[in-house]
Amino acid sequence: DGGITQSPKYLFRKEGQNVTLSCEQNLNHDAMYWYRQDPGQGLRLIYYSQIVNDFQKGDIAEGYSVSREKKESFPLTVTSAQKNPTAFYLCASSMTGSTEAFFGQGTRLTVV
Amino acid sequence: KQEVTQIPAALSVPEGENLVLNCSFTDSAIYNLQWFRQDPGKGLTSLLLIQSSQREQTSGRLNASLDKSSGRSTLYIAASQPGDSATYLCAADAGGTSYGKLTFGQGTILTVHP
Repeated sequence: DGGITQSPKYLFRKEGQNVTLSCEQNLNHDAMYWYRQDPGQGLRLIYYSQIVNDFQKGDIAEGYSVSREKKESFPLTVTSAQKNPTAFYLCASSMTGSTEAFFGQGTRLTVV
Repeated sequence: KQEVTQIPAALSVPEGENLVLNCSFTDSAIYNLQWFRQDPGKGLTSLLLIQSSQREQTSGRLNASLDKSSGRSTLYIAASQPGDSATYLCAADAGGTSYGKLTFGQGTILTVHP
C-alpha cells in the first residue's frame, strides 16, 4: 500500500542525547515536511524539502537537523540543543505543484 | 505572517445533528485550504482540499466552503455520527515559493454522543 511510514511510534530521549526519527514514503512525492504538535496546539513546521539534496528551515528549526539523500526518506534528528523536545512529531509529503498533504501516523517523543 | 484561527475550540452535539466548524485566516492570498481529521494519538487524515479558485468541495456528508475575500472557510458535517468524534484541523497554504508549507489552526475537538 502507498503511504508514509514513521518510526518508531514512541521514542524516549535522555537529557543531552541526539535521537533520529524516521520518515519514509512510497508515494513518489517530491516534497516532504516535518511538523511538531504540542498539546492543544496546531502543527508547526520544523523543516521541509521540495527536492532531493535540498531542504529549508521552517518556523521552529532551532535544535533540529534533517537530510534528504533519497526521494523516499526524510529523517529528522532532534539534537541536544532542542531544550523542550517532548512533543508529537508528524511527517508529511506532497506532489510538486499539488499541495494536498498526506501525513504519517506520528512519533511521540518523550524526554526522560 | 499568516494566522489561522478555528472556532469553536470544542463542540459537543447529539447524534444526527448538522454542524458547522469555522476557520478564519488573516492573509487572503492563499493557494488552497485543507481540512484534516485527527483521531487521538494518530496522524492527520486529509478530508477536503479547496483550491483558491474554488468556492466549495464535497465528500459524502462533508462540505467545505471557502471565501477568500472574508478570510473564512467552513466545514459542514451533515447528520453527525459518533464515529465523527475527532479533532478537526484546517490549514492554509500560501503557495508560490512557499507552496506546501501549511499554517494550521489549533483545531476543533468534536464529540458526537449517541
